[in-house]
Amino acid sequence: GESVGLHLPTLSVQEGDNSIINCAYSNSASDYFIWYKQESGKGPQFIIDIRSNMDKRQGQRVTVLLNKTVKHLSLQIAATQPGDSAVYFCAGGELSGYSTLTFGKGTMLLVSP
Amino acid sequence: DVKVTQSSRYLVKRTGEKVFLECVQDMDHENMFWYRQDPGLGLRLIYFSYDVKMKEKGDIPEGYSVSREKKERFSLILESASTNQTSMYLCASSSGLAGGDTQYFGPGTRLTVL
Repeated sequence: GESVGLHLPTLSVQEGDNSIINCAYSNSASDYFIWYKQESGKGPQFIIDIRSNMDKRQGQRVTVLLNKTVKHLSLQIAATQPGDSAVYFCAGGELSGYSTLTFGKGTMLLVSP
Repeated sequence: DVKVTQSSRYLVKRTGEKVFLECVQDMDHENMFWYRQDPGLGLRLIYFSYDVKMKEKGDIPEGYSVSREKKERFSLILESASTNQTSMYLCASSSGLAGGDTQYFGPGTRLTVL
């Protein structure tokens, strides 16, 4: 089965820095990926998604990069703010299949003022 | 905006009690999911449903059952609650194929079983 995991459990940055959160996946059939943000005591919130026909997708202050060759994706947050402090996790799935999304365990992002 | 609501934010039950967790979504999504989230283990899928009255086991269905009588509502049932079912329970919904579309989550129910 697929495993989706994160390299670092905790990432500490200063306000204003750029943050990069990484995720590796094992299932080469995965062609759809999502990043979620989960604040303490709340449910996960959709941030951005990307399909495997793209290498990069940008949102507001966030960019997701996908490297299919090494089965790796990253979430970049520009000018990180204290409000970005949360757990971030990736999920992977298959557009053409009925398999459900597989979720990584998460990285805690801590932003210091 | 998609809205997924869960009946309770916090719930305390006793061992052996029957527990119902309710989830409602307002976006006419076909798929609904129940997860539990525990520290260090991430999200684990308990059950999901891709249509009314349809259900599929996830990775950890033991000790749980589900009901989907209406498209917008998906219930998780703990027939006889045990202390190892103390957890955060998250409901989600999505449209399209279960693995190929964004899942939208509710706020979660933190269940404590004493």
